[in-house]
Amino acid sequence: EDQVTQSPEALRLQEGESSSLNCSYTVSGLRGLFWYRQDPGKGPEFLFTLYSAGEEKEKERLKATLTKKESFLHITAPKPEDSATYLCAVGILTGGGNKLTFGTGTQLKVEL
Amino acid sequence: GAGVSQSPRYKVAKRGQDVALRCDPISGHVSLFWYQQALGQGPEFLTYFQNEAQLDKSGLPSDRFFAERPEGSVSTLKIQRTQQEDSAVYLCASSLVPSTDTQYFGPGTRLTVL
Repeated sequence: EDQVTQSPEALRLQEGESSSLNCSYTVSGLRGLFWYRQDPGKGPEFLFTLYSAGEEKEKERLKATLTKKESFLHITAPKPEDSATYLCAVGILTGGGNKLTFGTGTQLKVEL
Repeated sequence: GAGVSQSPRYKVAKRGQDVALRCDPISGHVSLFWYQQALGQGPEFLTYFQNEAQLDKSGLPSDRFFAERPEGSVSTLKIQRTQQEDSAVYLCASSLVPSTDTQYFGPGTRLTVL
């Protein structure tokens, strides 16, 4: 059964305190590992897609990495505006499309 | 607008009522997905369209849920005889090409069934 597990469930950081979020997965036929950010009352906002082990992508203070069993979202020197829920999802082929199976998310709070 | 739009943003229904939720995908996007997100959970897949064809409806929780995309653009998710357990945020996403491409999400419709 395809499964995505995120940890920790919640994380509280001081501004400037770097950390990492974990996403472990078991899936047959991975078609991409996706990271999204979700703010309260809004839809998920796309951050990164990773396709193969060893791949890394960066955007501002965020860096995503991928191995065969897990992905990490590294946050360097976070700011309060980085506070959000971060969702990880795996892409699974369906009828020629790519449906996403999500984890439950990591709720990040960055304090001054 | 450039993004995915959904309407209404909020819907309150009495148990047993029928509701219809609308999704306007990004213009030209071939693929359209519906997801259901319960409070504190990640979104869960409901159904997938490629143009007007519904190619996967394996995530629809019961036969009270029905989705359509008759002209390959706007989609409607209909829920008949709503139940309290249907209360959730319903998210629509679209992507330009079917396989591996990024899905862009709308703001969602929050459905509350009383």
